[in-house]
Amino acid sequence: QVQLVESGGGVVQPGGSLRLSCAGSGFTFTRYPFHWVRQAPGKGLEWVAILSYDGVSQNYAGSVRGRFTISRDNSRSTLYLQMNSLKAEDTAIYYCARDMYTNGWGGIDFWGQGTLVTVSS
Amino acid sequence: QAVLTQPSSLSASPGASASLTCTLPSGINFVTYRIYWYQQKPGSPPQFLLRYTSDSDYLQGSGVPSRFSGSKDASANAAILLISGVQSEDEADYFCMIWLSSASMIFGGGTKLTVL
Repeated sequence: QVQLVESGGGVVQPGGSLRLSCAGSGFTFTRYPFHWVRQAPGKGLEWVAILSYDGVSQNYAGSVRGRFTISRDNSRSTLYLQMNSLKAEDTAIYYCARDMYTNGWGGIDFWGQGTLVTVSS
Repeated sequence: QAVLTQPSSLSASPGASASLTCTLPSGINFVTYRIYWYQQKPGSPPQFLLRYTSDSDYLQGSGVPSRFSGSKDASANAAILLISGVQSEDEADYFCMIWLSSASMIFGGGTKLTVL
């Protein structure tokens, strides 16, 4: 079955950095684009970034552009999110999510369990 | 940035129908957009329910009961998630989502469904 397992969350000071990982299994990882979506405590969902199946194309939400970088290692079936210059408002559960389209992108069909990032001094 | 508007809460009795709306501001034509619906229970990640573009372009999530269905109300520029025969296990938050041509994704604020 499809599994996405995030790791790398934790507590970091404002201005600090953190790298999240997401390991995929149970499907052909290399065929799918992936997203990061976050959810602040008690709040709704906020899309963060997308990366194409081959790692060539990506896009970011305006709130993280220039600070976050999405990448992937298809040989390891792993997605990453490098987060720099973290702010208190980046505090959230970060979900790795698979796009449902193998010939494009635009919808999510599977989500990981999420990893909590807390930015606090 | 476009905003998808959802009522913050809705209540329904077991066995009744619940209609959850997701409204896009006027000026953005809902007709051609694919609308995605997700269910999220406390402490769990969202789960994909269905995708609705039109009656001929419809995708039900794997294992999602048929009591969950989608539609659109063109006059209101709104997408609708209908839950027929609400059950206690349907108590959850429900989010709508669209994918924009700018290669970005926006979610509605979510509706908390309470089953009384």
